[in-house]
Amino acid sequence: DQQVKQNSPSLSVQEGRISILNCDYTNSMFDYFLWYKKYPAEGPTFLISISSIKDKNEDGRFTVFLNKSAKHLSLHIVPSQPGDSAVYFCAIPNAGGTSYGKLTFGQGTILTVHP
Amino acid sequence: NAGVTQTPKFRILKIGQSMTLQCAQDMNHNYMYWYRQDPGMGLKLIYYSVGAGITDKGEVPNGYNVSRSTTEDFPLRLELAAPSQTSVYFCASSYSGLVSTEAFFGQGTRLTVV
Repeated sequence: DQQVKQNSPSLSVQEGRISILNCDYTNSMFDYFLWYKKYPAEGPTFLISISSIKDKNEDGRFTVFLNKSAKHLSLHIVPSQPGDSAVYFCAIPNAGGTSYGKLTFGQGTILTVHP
Repeated sequence: NAGVTQTPKFRILKIGQSMTLQCAQDMNHNYMYWYRQDPGMGLKLIYYSVGAGITDKGEVPNGYNVSRSTTEDFPLRLELAAPSQTSVYFCASSYSGLVSTEAFFGQGTRLTVV
């Protein structure tokens, strides 16, 4: 039973337009959510996070929105740049109960931004 | 600042062989983790450690062993390699176990078992 789902394996966007990546989760008790970005042949790097006490968190071109009633979060990238082309993972730090920093990842979405 | 260093970057193993994936971090982080990523899938937790001498199983521990004798090092041991262990392995560390703590990942080890 997947607790974190990213249902879009890939997304293709034109440079300058908005990229929207989606993530769904199963447990309404989850209270913190993260996005990681991964380039080929590199490890994931932390991008942005949001606590369940907020419905929006913004960092430059990146904004994460949280809809607790729908158990859904989304990552918006505006404007998209070719350097944003990467795999984006949604992750939850306490899906298995006590956190200890353990992460449960979605399957990832491959974002391609075309010049 | 090296961060999290994994060796080797690539390895091909024959079925039944053993190997150790090395992971070292220079950030004095207490928490360390091993994940594997299969094609088209997210990362899955194999083992983790909350400090030297303390380790515990993650979601997919079968076929693996770990040890944590120092804060810096967290090696992952494969005893009898199987094709199902073909994957990319990532080591990570964080300074605390709080949900808001960022994890730092190594570049990964791509392992193929034939």
